[in-house]
Amino acid sequence: ETGVTQSPTHLIKTRGQQVTLRCSSQSGHNTVSWYQQALGQGPQFIFQYYREEENGRGNFPPRFSGLQFPNYSSELNVNALELDDSALYLCASSYLTSLGGYEQFFGPGTRLTVL
Amino acid sequence: AQSVTQLDSQVPVFEEAPVELRCNYSSSVSVYLFWYVQYPNQGLQLLLKYLSGSTLVESINGFEAEFNKSQTSFHLRKPSVHISDTAEYFCAVSENTGNQFYFGTGTSLTVIP
Repeated sequence: ETGVTQSPTHLIKTRGQQVTLRCSSQSGHNTVSWYQQALGQGPQFIFQYYREEENGRGNFPPRFSGLQFPNYSSELNVNALELDDSALYLCASSYLTSLGGYEQFFGPGTRLTVL
Repeated sequence: AQSVTQLDSQVPVFEEAPVELRCNYSSSVSVYLFWYVQYPNQGLQLLLKYLSGSTLVESINGFEAEFNKSQTSFHLRKPSVHISDTAEYFCAVSENTGNQFYFGTGTSLTVIP
């Protein structure tokens, strides 16, 4: 069983550009969440996808968008990049446990630097 | 929305000494609680979780955490730390009405030889 994978590992972009980050979820997990982790901070929830539909969104502007594919892999797209978008972007796949809570498994992250 | 507070941003502790990393959350609604560990340049690894049942939960590497509903806390403890425990530790909360995770700002644990 493979874990959550993300690509690329590192990325450098300039202000105003667009970026696409990719995530492959863990086998059997149909829910994917994306988080932004700025330096020295905890992860902040961007949005979640469940069976190809957005299923919750945090306090991020519309230029942050996403997709989930039939195989449950996912993309995070960010348009009109700003310097403050520089962060580690984490993908987490999850499943609903028998006790009612979700358990999330995180990928290694993509480090985005905006110059 | 939940607010998660990790009161200590940095905790230095000598090897083989005990340690407690504190975590408080804002709401008294039913929640699920997690501790994650993050090593440099890596993603988050689940350390332990509370979903229901016993309020004391343990990890395989000697950490434990106790859910205290009245104090809305989920403090992490280890009786004797090792050098390899040096890492960033994040407390996270999700509500039973949804699956969004709310994270604290993290506690950097440094184990001193």
